[in-house]
Amino acid sequence: AQTVTQSQPEMSVQEAETVTLSCTYDTSESDYYLFWYKQPPSRQMILVIRQEAYKQQNATENRFSVNFQKAAKSFSLKISDSQLGDAAMYFCAQTQGGSEKLVFGKGTKLTVNP
Amino acid sequence: ETGVTQTPRHLVMGMTNKKSLKCEQHLGHNAMYWYKQSAKKPLELMFVYNFKEQTENNSVPSRFSPECPNSSHLFLHLHTLQPEDSALYLCASSQDEGRAGGAEAFFGQGTRLTVV
Repeated sequence: AQTVTQSQPEMSVQEAETVTLSCTYDTSESDYYLFWYKQPPSRQMILVIRQEAYKQQNATENRFSVNFQKAAKSFSLKISDSQLGDAAMYFCAQTQGGSEKLVFGKGTKLTVNP
Repeated sequence: ETGVTQTPRHLVMGMTNKKSLKCEQHLGHNAMYWYKQSAKKPLELMFVYNFKEQTENNSVPSRFSPECPNSSHLFLHLHTLQPEDSALYLCASSQDEGRAGGAEAFFGQGTRLTVV
């Protein structure tokens, strides 16, 4: 079975600083996608960034970037210039079984201190 | 309205009650999902519907009964639930092309269910 592991239940960062959230996954599939989703207190999950496994180039979206290490099955999220609005639960996820179904990690709660 | 809308936002029900959760998506997607989010656990995929047909049931107890009358609406009928079923129930939709295309899943705000 596929698993996604987020080893940091909680993280904190000072406003304007950089923070990295860790994620490892386990799969035997060769074609898959990895995602980071954000869940603010409003509870609505929002896509932050996605990575295609067959692309070596790390995905970036403005202040958000990933460090994708396919051989190590590692997919960390870097948030630069952290803002108060970045405070949320962050979930790492992977597509499952060649479909759009997602397997999620337990999440990391990010606190941004002013 | 746009996106994925779930109602109600909060629900408290007794173990002998019957209630339903509703999800509606206005994105033209062909796939809809129910997830269960419990504290300190990963989101658990419960059901998947593609083009109104159920394609996955992840060993969910029969006290949870999904219904998908069309590709825009998804229901989760609840009956004789247990206190451990208390959780946040999230609905999502995406455009499933039949392969891992990395389509973004759009989520609703969830229904916070408390079983007493």
